[in-house]
Amino acid sequence: DQQVKQNSPSLSVQEGRISILNCDYTNSMFDYFLWYKKYPAEGPTFLISISSIKDKNEDGRFTVFLNKSAKHLSLHIVPSQPGDSAVYFCAALPTFGNEKLTFGTGTRLTIIP
Amino acid sequence: NAGVTQTPKFQVLKTGQSMTLQCAQDMNHNSMYWYRQDPGMGLRLIYYSASEGTTDKGEVPNGYNVSRLNKREFSLRLESAAPSQTSVYFCASCKQGPYNEQFFGPGTRLTVL
Repeated sequence: DQQVKQNSPSLSVQEGRISILNCDYTNSMFDYFLWYKKYPAEGPTFLISISSIKDKNEDGRFTVFLNKSAKHLSLHIVPSQPGDSAVYFCAALPTFGNEKLTFGTGTRLTIIP
Repeated sequence: NAGVTQTPKFQVLKTGQSMTLQCAQDMNHNSMYWYRQDPGMGLRLIYYSASEGTTDKGEVPNGYNVSRLNKREFSLRLESAAPSQTSVYFCASCKQGPYNEQFFGPGTRLTVL
């Protein structure tokens, strides 16, 4: 039972445009969400997070939006750059401070120059 | 400051052979994790250790054992490797805290023939 779902395995976006990566979850007990970025042959690296008490968190070109009623979050990258080409994983925590992340299946983002 | 290191980077085993994957972190983190990544499956937690001397099962523990040797090191052992254990294995560590940002090692690519 996949509790965190990323329904788009891949996404291609023109350089300079907006990239939108989506993530849905089924467990209503999740209240903290993270995005990780992964380049080939490397481990994932933390990108941005959001708590359920917020509906938006911004860090430079990256913004994460959370819609709790829809159990949906999205990562926006504006403007997209070639170095953003990677696999993006969303992950969720059921309680604040709980250490067992549940990861989605990942979306491979390709930025087209 | 090397972060999280994993050895070996690559390994090929025959069915039934055993091996130990090594992981070490130099960030003085309390928590450590072992994940496996398979195509279309995202990252799945095998075992984790919330602190030195404690370990607990994750989502997919069957066929694996772990040892938290000390605060720095967390090893994963395959006693009798099976082809289904062909995967990329990631170790991660986390400073027990509110944001639960996990830091990942570069991974071990294991093939079981």
